[in-house]
Amino acid sequence: AQKVTQAQTEISVVEKEDVTLDCVYETRDTTYYLFWYKQPPSGELVFLIRRNSFDEQNEISGRYSWNFQKSTSSFNFTITASQVVDSAVYFCALSSNFGNEKLTFGTGTRLTIIP
Amino acid sequence: EPEVTQTPSHQVTQMGQEVILRCVPISNHLYFYWYRQILGQKVEFLVSFYNNEISEKSEIFDDQFSVERPDGSNFTLKIRSTKLEDSAMYFCASQIGGQVPYEQYFGPGTRLTVT
Repeated sequence: AQKVTQAQTEISVVEKEDVTLDCVYETRDTTYYLFWYKQPPSGELVFLIRRNSFDEQNEISGRYSWNFQKSTSSFNFTITASQVVDSAVYFCALSSNFGNEKLTFGTGTRLTIIP
Repeated sequence: EPEVTQTPSHQVTQMGQEVILRCVPISNHLYFYWYRQILGQKVEFLVSFYNNEISEKSEIFDDQFSVERPDGSNFTLKIRSTKLEDSAMYFCASQIGGQVPYEQYFGPGTRLTVT
């Protein structure tokens, strides 16, 4: 069975600080995909990134970066120079290697950026 | 940019009543999903749908639930006899399909309140 653990329930940081959200996953599949979604206070789920299990290269997109380490089954998300608009619940999710597999979500981390 | 839409945004119903939640997926997408999120909890998979049939369903998706794609655009979730514990945010998602799991695009959700 697949499982995603986000041990940090809530994090608060002061604006402009860097913050890292942790994600640890479990799966028996050799090929799988990892995702991060953002859920702002308005409630919708916004896709941020998809990463496959064969690509351990870190990715940077503006102030966002992701660190995928297969050896520790982790896919951590860092926001650099945080802004108030980053305040949201962030979900890590896992999917198997087939085209229409369901997403298994973690419990989410509520991030609050203090102005 | 194409988006998934859901109606209504909020539905209040009495226990035992039937509800139908409606979704219009992105037009060229082939895979469709329903997820639910009980307030403050993680997003949980309910069912996936492809080629006019259910691909996979979770243990939550019992005989009280059904899905349908009655025409070329709508994708519906019916709950036959609602219970208090069905109160949640219900998200519809669609995916373009293919050999690998591309990102699922989520609708804004329908908040279902069962009284």
